[in-house]
Amino acid sequence: NAGVTQTPKFQVLKTGQSMTLQCAQDMNHEYMSWYRQDPGMGLRLIHYSVGAGITDQGEVPNGYNVSRSTTEDFPLRLLSAAPSQTSVYFCASSRPNLLGVTYNEQFFGPGTRLTVL
Amino acid sequence: KNEVEQSPQNLTAQEGEFITINCSYSVGISALHWLQQHPGGGIVSLFMLSSGKKKHGRLIATINIQEKHSSLHITASHPRDSAVYICAVEETSGSRLTFGEGTQLTVNP
Repeated sequence: NAGVTQTPKFQVLKTGQSMTLQCAQDMNHEYMSWYRQDPGMGLRLIHYSVGAGITDQGEVPNGYNVSRSTTEDFPLRLLSAAPSQTSVYFCASSRPNLLGVTYNEQFFGPGTRLTVL
Repeated sequence: KNEVEQSPQNLTAQEGEFITINCSYSVGISALHWLQQHPGGGIVSLFMLSSGKKKHGRLIATINIQEKHSSLHITASHPRDSAVYICAVEETSGSRLTFGEGTQLTVNP
């Protein structure tokens, strides 16, 4: 299994540009999420999905869109990049609520380092 | 006040020392996770626990649900243990995680 993969690893954008960060997992996990990590702050949840066709906002959703058309893929779209979106982005997946168990090990992708000029 | 507080923020130890990192939280949880972030940036799950104690090699994690507190211990620390250790709680309301800011551990030879 490849686990959780993210592309690209690095990206530089100009203010106003749009782009999509890709995330895929091959573990058949229902739960997927996007986080951003900024210096001096813990990981913060942007958007999450509990299954194909279902997405919801996290703590810091403004400026980002997501979709979940398949179990495997969960892309994160920046609509109009701003310098405040300079960050490291992590995608994660897990299998929640399996047989009544409400927690499961989290698997993280390698991260995407985004710089917005 | 953050829902998840870790201490210390930074910790420097000599090889072989016993290390403790603490995590306190203020919300009801279904589970607590300890994660390790390597200098290269990758994040791996170390432990997931909802009660008691878990041990894996030189790492031990404990949790006290009544006191809303967890500790991560590293015995016989080694320079390769140098990393950021992150505490995260899974709230009872769902699968979402809330993270602490992390503890930067440096183990010198």
